[in-house]
Amino acid sequence: AQSVTQLDSHVSVSEGTPVLLRCNYSSSYSPSLFWYVQHPNKGLQLLLKYTSAATLVKGINGFEAEFKKSETSFHLTKPSAHMSDAAEYFCVVSDLGPDSNYQLIWGAGTKLIIKP
Amino acid sequence: DSGVTQTPKHLITATGQRVTLRCSPRSGDLSVYWYQQSLDQGLQFLIQYYNGEERAKGNILERFSAQQFPDLHSELNLSSLELGDSALYFCASSVDGTSGGRETQYFGPGTRLLVL
Repeated sequence: AQSVTQLDSHVSVSEGTPVLLRCNYSSSYSPSLFWYVQHPNKGLQLLLKYTSAATLVKGINGFEAEFKKSETSFHLTKPSAHMSDAAEYFCVVSDLGPDSNYQLIWGAGTKLIIKP
Repeated sequence: DSGVTQTPKHLITATGQRVTLRCSPRSGDLSVYWYQQSLDQGLQFLIQYYNGEERAKGNILERFSAQQFPDLHSELNLSSLELGDSALYFCASSVDGTSGGRETQYFGPGTRLLVL
C-alpha cells in the first residue's frame, strides 16, 4: 500500500519570501500525485497534479511541484508568499485499494502561516 | 465555486441518532466520492459511486451507507451515531472516476456534523 508523509505540520514564512512544503511518498509503481489546498472553513481545491508527464508541474496561484522519483518526493514551492496563501495544504497519492479500484491517500496536511 | 453542492452545511444531533447528508455533483460528472475529515484521523476516503453503482470502498463503517440516485445525486446515511463520528464530511465528484486514479476530484464545501 502506498503512503504519504508531509514532513512539517506547520510552516511559517514572511510575506514575499519563498514557500517550501515537503512531501514524501511510498510507491511500488509510478503514482499519480496531487496537492490540494483548504482555506479556513472552505472546501478542498486542487492546486496541481502529476500523472507521469513532465516532472515539473505548474499549478494555480504561482505554485509548482517537482516529482523526484529517486527521492520519492513531491515538494510544493512558490517563489513569493502572499497573505492569501495562508491555508492548509494536503499532499495526496492515488493508490489501488484492496478492491483493485483507485482511491486517494491523503497526507496529514501542512498549515502554512504567512507573517506580514 | 467547484460546482459541487452539499446540504446541510451544519448538523447537530445526539448519540444513537441517524442523519442523511446530501451531495449534488458537478453537471456531467458521473462519479461521487465521500470523505470524512476529523482532527484525529485526518482525511479518510469512505466510498465512491459511479453512475449509480458502488465502485470503491475505503474506511467506511458498517453503520454508514451511501447511494447514488438516477439523477446522480448521492446521499450518505450515518446511523447509531457516536461522539467520534463528529467530523467534516466532504463530497467530491469527477468526470468518470475510471482513469487509473489520475482524475481531478472537485470538492463540495462539506457538512459539519456534531454529535452530542
